Order: sequence, then structure tokens, then C-alpha cells
Amino acid sequence: DADVTQTPRNRITKTGKRIMLECSQTKGHDRMYWYRQDPGLGLRLIYYSFDVKDINKGEISDGYSVSRQAQAKFSLSLESAIPNQTALYFCASRDRDTDTQYFGPGTRLTVL
Amino acid sequence: AQKVTQAQTEISVVEKEDVTLDCVYETRDTTYYLFWYKQPPSGELVFLIRRNSFDEQNEISGRYSWNFQKSTSSFNFTITASQVVDSAVYFCALSEGGGSEKLVFGKGTKLTVNP
Repeated sequence: DADVTQTPRNRITKTGKRIMLECSQTKGHDRMYWYRQDPGLGLRLIYYSFDVKDINKGEISDGYSVSRQAQAKFSLSLESAIPNQTALYFCASRDRDTDTQYFGPGTRLTVL
Repeated sequence: AQKVTQAQTEISVVEKEDVTLDCVYETRDTTYYLFWYKQPPSGELVFLIRRNSFDEQNEISGRYSWNFQKSTSSFNFTITASQVVDSAVYFCALSEGGGSEKLVFGKGTKLTVNP
């Protein structure tokens, strides 16, 4: 079984719609992350969380919000989706002992 | 500010050739970690290796090897006897130690191994 899972894997939505991407991890890590990947730009950090009470903005947090419902769950929301939020979104959890981030399979989001 | 540069955007080789992927990084910190991730056509990101700034010992793992040189701020990755299944985008990434959470990625090198 995958250690980091994301749902949905693919989503097509319309401009202005609210959408939530969900992430769960079974590694028991306290630190979780959301990134987006755009062609030619690599991965960029949206938000990260040290634990359920500690959430921090990354470099491109505008237009996004997150919720850490439990140690294992970290959700990303787009309150009002716009076309330039079309991207591949990755969730990751971090092993504090090795400082290694392990990624989920990604969610491909298309905003029309 | 941290920065990771992968100057090779795309590389194409024929199966069984050796190929080296270059990575150059910038950081002001003395404690940091370097990573390589692989993204195959299926899209997932697969962790390959981690190296900390105090460990310059190079590593070989099967057909993969890594060359870390602090003097040139480089962390290069070599695949020996490449195979078609090695075709993927490879990302180099940098994370500062000391509690900083940032993982900064290069823009990736797309490797195509042709039969």
C-alpha cells in the first residue's frame, strides 16, 4: 500500500468553483506539504504543516488554503478556482530523522 | 537564497550508454541536504537518494552513482548502462538543515533512453 495517498487523482472543474484535494499518510510523520508542478517550473511549495496546530505559507500560497484535520491528513482547497491553477499537485510527508520528503502520486487538476 | 540549477533540460541516449545528470546548488547554510527524485511518465515522484552536507563520500547503488563535491557545489547523478525504464524526469533538490523546512527543486532534466 502507498504510504502517501491523494484523492482525487484527476479533476476537471470550472472557473469559480471551490475544490478540495485530500492527502493522507501512513508513515506517522508530523510534517506535511503541498506543492504544485508546472511544466518547466519544477515544484513550488504552497503550504506546509509541522503538526495539526502549525500551518505555514509557502512561496505561492495566494488563492489556496489548507486544513490539517489530523496528523495523517492534510487537505488543500482552492476557494475559487482559476485557469492558472491548472497544474499537477503533490502532497508529501517528511521523515524528521532523515529530512526526506516522500510524495503522493499527484492530483492532476484542470480548471476550465 | 537557495537555488538549484539543472542546466540540462533534456538528454537523449541510446540504451546501454552511461549518462550523467548535472546539479549545481547555492546555499549560505553550512548544514543542508541534497536529494535526487525520479518522475517517470506515470507522474509520481520517487525518492532516490539523500546526502547531507557533511558527507562527501560518493555512493554507488547498482547502476546508479552519485558524485557530491562541496568545492564546486555540485551533486551529479550517473546512470551506468542505461535502460529504457530509466526514461524519466530527474529532479535535484536542496533542503537546509537546522529546522528550515524548505525543499527547493531544480527544474528537472528529462532523460530519454532509446532502444
